[in-house]
Amino acid sequence: DQQVKQNSPSLSVQEGRISILNCDYTNSMFDYFLWYKKYPAEGPTFLISISSIKDKNEDGRFTVFLNKSAKHLSLHIVPSQPGDSAVYFCAAVYNQGGKLIFGQGTELSVKP
Amino acid sequence: DTAVSQTPKYLVTQMGNDKSIKCEQNLGHDTMYWYKQDSKKFLKIMFSYNNKELIINETVPNRFSPKSPDKAHLNLHINSLELGDSAVYFCASSQVRGNYGYTFGSGTRLTVV
Repeated sequence: DQQVKQNSPSLSVQEGRISILNCDYTNSMFDYFLWYKKYPAEGPTFLISISSIKDKNEDGRFTVFLNKSAKHLSLHIVPSQPGDSAVYFCAAVYNQGGKLIFGQGTELSVKP
Repeated sequence: DTAVSQTPKYLVTQMGNDKSIKCEQNLGHDTMYWYKQDSKKFLKIMFSYNNKELIINETVPNRFSPKSPDKAHLNLHINSLELGDSAVYFCASSQVRGNYGYTFGSGTRLTVV
């Protein structure tokens, strides 16, 4: 039973345009959400996070939106750059000290 | 200087063998984790140690045994390897329990033949 799902295995975007990566979750107890970025042959690296008490968090070109009623979050990258090409993992957690539960990732390809 | 390092990076072994994967972090973090990325690409937690104490132990076959000699090291030993154990195993660490900005190692690709 997968509690965090990323239903798009891949996404292709033109350089300079917006990339929107989506994530759905089923557990309403989740209180913190994160996005990780992963290049081939490397481990995931933390990108941006959002608490369940917020609906938006922005860091430079990256913005995460949370819609709790829909149990949905999204990552917007504007403008997209070729160096953003990677696999993006959504993750969620509940309780202090709890475990991160990851989605299966979306592979983003940004074409010049 | 690598923050979280795993060895080996690649491991090919026969069914039935016993193998170990080592992980070391030089970040001074208190908590370390083992995650498994299966063929469907999900990253699933296996174990977590906080300052050498086991705090998360998921439903993992008891052929898998973590060992933390000190808070900078978390090794994973696997007995009687099976084909289904083939996966990429990631070690990670975080500064304190509950800090979710994990730092991951680059992974160990285990192939059981």
